[in-house]
Amino acid sequence: EAGVTQSPTHLIKTRGQQVTLRCSPISGHTSVYWYQQALGLGLQFLLWYDEGEERNRGNFPPRFSGRQFPNYSSELNVNALELEDSALYLCASSLTRNTEAFFGQGTRLTVV
Amino acid sequence: KNEVEQSPQNLTAQEGEFITINCSYSVGISALHWLQQHPGGGIVSLFMLSSGKKKHGRLIATINIQEKHSSLHITASHPRDSAVYICAVSAGTASKLTFGTGTRLQVTL
Repeated sequence: EAGVTQSPTHLIKTRGQQVTLRCSPISGHTSVYWYQQALGLGLQFLLWYDEGEERNRGNFPPRFSGRQFPNYSSELNVNALELEDSALYLCASSLTRNTEAFFGQGTRLTVV
Repeated sequence: KNEVEQSPQNLTAQEGEFITINCSYSVGISALHWLQQHPGGGIVSLFMLSSGKKKHGRLIATINIQEKHSSLHITASHPRDSAVYICAVSAGTASKLTFGTGTRLQVTL
């Protein structure tokens, strides 16, 4: 069975541009979580989607947004990229809320 | 003070040693997770605990809800265990994880 898949794996963008990251959860999982791991920092919660709705978001500005599609895959959008947005972005999925989360390999975003 | 504290931050061990990584948290939780992150960033979920003890191969995780403390033990450590081990908690119905800063483990021959 396929795990959580993220695309792309690596990405380089210029400051001010917009980026879209994609996540496909494990089949049957309805909850998708996005996390940011900036260089030298710990993992920070970004967004949680469940059954197509945004259920919670972390302490990030509105230029970080996303959505979840009817097939439960998800996109994370970041507008007006800043240098400090350079990070590993991890997606995780779980069967339902508060069940075990499984992580993807991440997308490494570099903003120059 | 972080909601989730891990110790030690860095740990070097020789192959075969018994390793313990500790995690303390300050909030009520619904579950505690132990994660492993290898160089390159990919994260693997090792355990999800809400009480007691779980074992998988050479890994053992315990949690004491009253003391708000969990430990991850690795028996007969091996260089392939070298990674960052991260403790994370989920609280209430928010379902989002709050992470510790991780313990960097290096196991040498």
